[in-house]
Amino acid sequence: DQQVKQNSPSLSVQEGRISILNCDYTNSMFDYFLWYKKYPAEGPTFLISISSIKDKNEDGRFTVFLNKSAKHLSLHIVPSQPGDSAVYFCAAGTASKLTFGTGTRLQVTL
Amino acid sequence: ETGVTQSPTHLIKTRGQQVTLRCSSQSGHNTVSWYQQALGQGPQFIFQYYREEENGRGNFPPRFSGLQFPNYSSELNVNALELDDSALYLCASRAGTGIGYTFGSGTRLTVV
Repeated sequence: DQQVKQNSPSLSVQEGRISILNCDYTNSMFDYFLWYKKYPAEGPTFLISISSIKDKNEDGRFTVFLNKSAKHLSLHIVPSQPGDSAVYFCAAGTASKLTFGTGTRLQVTL
Repeated sequence: ETGVTQSPTHLIKTRGQQVTLRCSSQSGHNTVSWYQQALGQGPQFIFQYYREEENGRGNFPPRFSGLQFPNYSSELNVNALELDDSALYLCASRAGTGIGYTFGSGTRLTVV
């Protein structure tokens, strides 16, 4: 039962352009959502979060949008930089656990 | 102390053996979770501890067990290892009122 889905396993974007990573979920009981970035041989690094009562949260180049009616969230990175190349996981949280998607590999090209 | 530290970084065990993985969390991080990440998958929640009590568990059998200690360290124990237990095991912690967990770099366990 995959409660959090990232349907795009990979994404390639040119440097300076916008990267949009998408995530869908099925459980209406999640309290908050997060995005993590992961480089090889490192643990996931927290990027940005959004409460289930909000529809947008912005932090520098990163913006997360939440559409509760569609059970969909997205991460926008503007402008994309080569250092953003990594695997991005969305995660949905309750008080006692995080449920992760399968990840999207972002490649930012020169 | 900052960050989350896991040990060992790599480990090879034989099927049927037992293993203990260790995690040292940041001071004040009284919530710790453990995750299993298989190749090409997202991290799967194993269990969570809050103030040394388990307060959440994922779909893992009882041979996966844990402990959390007052000094913000924790352990993941796996008994009767199976080949499918080969994965990256991640420890994550947060302060009680926080949202974002801080993850360690993981322990890569290979069962042969």
